[in-house]
Amino acid sequence: DAGVTQSPTHLIKTRGQQVTLRCSPKSGHDTVSWYQQALGQGPQFIFQYYEEEERQRGNFPDRFSGHQFPNYSSELNVNALLLGDSALYLCASSRGLLPNEQFFGPGTRLTVL
Amino acid sequence: DAKTTQPNSMESNEEEPVHLPCNHSTISGTDYIHWYRQLPSQGPEYVIHGLTSNVNNRMASLAIAEDRKSSTLILHRATLRDAAVYYCIPYSGAGSYQLTFGKGTKLSVIP
Repeated sequence: DAGVTQSPTHLIKTRGQQVTLRCSPKSGHDTVSWYQQALGQGPQFIFQYYEEEERQRGNFPDRFSGHQFPNYSSELNVNALLLGDSALYLCASSRGLLPNEQFFGPGTRLTVL
Repeated sequence: DAKTTQPNSMESNEEEPVHLPCNHSTISGTDYIHWYRQLPSQGPEYVIHGLTSNVNNRMASLAIAEDRKSSTLILHRATLRDAAVYYCIPYSGAGSYQLTFGKGTKLSVIP
């Protein structure tokens, strides 16, 4: 079992650009949550996808959007990148909506210049 | 979500037990207490969760105070691999599907 996989591992973009990050959940999991982790801070919840719909959203602007595919994999899109979007983006998967025993991927390190 | 207070950092000697405290005085009666840890350069890893009584698994034990205002994560025998940031997360589940992470406790293990 490969666990949660994310791609790419690192990414460098410039301000104003758009980025897409990808996540494949652990086998048997149907729910994907995305988190942003700034340096020295705990992860902050962005949103959760279940049955291809956004079920809950944290305090993030509309520039952050996502998608879940029928195979449960997910994408996180960020438009009009700002310097402050530089962070580690983590994907977590679980069975069902409740975040019991979430499995996290290694993250994608995004640097915005 | 209930507020939590954890020490910023702790140290332990290798092969000794470690008790990581967490205060969550505003916790409600139905909030579960989850613990995750994050090893360097990795995503968080689920450790354990519980509601009222003490819980054990292969990784750790969770001791929950009778009034539920605090809990302690117990690593029975610290190894170098246990050096990580440990997060205590009360979770209500009442219409919320998100985990709210604080800054956690950075545990250093001394060989």
